[in-house]
Amino acid sequence: DTAVSQTPKYLVTQMGNDKSIKCEQNLGHDTMYWYKQDSKKFLKIMFSYNNKELIINETVPNRFSPKSPDKAHLNLHINSLELGDSAVYFCASSQSWTGYNEQFFGPGTRLTVL
Amino acid sequence: KNEVEQSPQNLTAQEGEFITINCSYSVGISALHWLQQHPGGGIVSLFMLSSGKKKHGRLIATINIQEKHSSLHITASHPRDSAVYICAANNNDMRFGAGTRLTVKP
Repeated sequence: DTAVSQTPKYLVTQMGNDKSIKCEQNLGHDTMYWYKQDSKKFLKIMFSYNNKELIINETVPNRFSPKSPDKAHLNLHINSLELGDSAVYFCASSQSWTGYNEQFFGPGTRLTVL
Repeated sequence: KNEVEQSPQNLTAQEGEFITINCSYSVGISALHWLQQHPGGGIVSLFMLSSGKKKHGRLIATINIQEKHSSLHITASHPRDSAVYICAANNNDMRFGAGTRLTVKP
């Protein structure tokens, strides 16, 4: 059983389009995250949700909108895609939002904007 | 300057060698994480520590809170250890180092 799953694994799209990435965890965790890994492999947090409520929103363009329908799901919707959005996006989850909690990562979604 | 600095950036070793990767951080933390990212891209959590030392198989992680420094050691390295190792400082959000790319040659 996959603990944290993401779909799709690969996403190739044209500039200006709107796309979504889905994430689901079956670990019963309260907290979920979205991370972006750029072309230099540097990971950076984008959003964190705890029990469906947004608790971290780093300086991410508001073209990115996370949605958490329940605490097992955190989806990422991106409007008006730009070339610079090309990256690998990782979803993760942890038991709670406090720092001393192991994080479990999804397999990543490689987004390519043409 | 990044809040989390790792060294070296790249490391090549011969099978069997003892390996050390270093991490220094400038932020307050609840925990320091070591992650492994395989060539296929998946990320796995290796260690989470807030003090002292942890060991799992051939991997050992240590942290010195006063000096804000952590090390990841791999004993008897093997080609399957080849991966990118990432240090992350966590104080309710994760700040990542740039990663250390390890290649272990047979």
